[in-house]
Amino acid sequence: GNSVTQMEGPVTLSEEAFLTINCTYTATGYPSLFWYVQYPGEGLQLLLKATKADDKGSNKGFEATYRKETTSFHLEKGSVQVSDSAVYFCALSDRVGGSYIPTFGRGTSLIVHP
Amino acid sequence: DAGVTQSPTHLIKTRGQQVTLRCSPKSGHDTVSWYQQALGQGPQFIFQYYEEEERQRGNFPDRFSGHQFPNYSSELNVNALLLGDSALYLCASSFRTLASGSAANEQFFGPGTRLTVL
Repeated sequence: GNSVTQMEGPVTLSEEAFLTINCTYTATGYPSLFWYVQYPGEGLQLLLKATKADDKGSNKGFEATYRKETTSFHLEKGSVQVSDSAVYFCALSDRVGGSYIPTFGRGTSLIVHP
Repeated sequence: DAGVTQSPTHLIKTRGQQVTLRCSPKSGHDTVSWYQQALGQGPQFIFQYYEEEERQRGNFPDRFSGHQFPNYSSELNVNALLLGDSALYLCASSFRTLASGSAANEQFFGPGTRLTVL
């Protein structure tokens, strides 16, 4: 079956530091890959996505590249801000019958200090 | 344009009771999915509704049931509540991609309903 593995948190950084959150996946088909962000007390928001190998998703300074050869989709940001503090979820979406059902990782908490 | 809305925000029930959670999808969306997010975990897929029918189901018992109405809104019902049902229940809406090819079926999530079972 499909699965997503994320690095365990929390990840604690100082403001303006470089961020990497590792994500690897296992899938039987050719999934799309996503990063979602969850701020305290809120639902999930789509951060970025990539639909095929070598695609790069980007948004708000965050980037992730779909690496089929290493089955990875690592999230990066060059300079984090305090406002980036949240929980980040890596997910894949594969076609099951006529529907696309996402599989989520466990989430990685990011804490950014001033 | 309103996004996905859910009600209620919080709910406290006791073991054995039944609960109904509600979701209104984002305007233009016709598919609703429900997820259970336990504390410190990622969302787990419960089921998905399209055209008022359950289309896909995750690994959840029959105590979990749902419904979709003609206006695309949806309800999640949980019977015989257990302590382990305590979680954040998330609703997500999307536009069902019927054509083959693109797998980028983007889901928009609501803020969730926090259910506590005592």
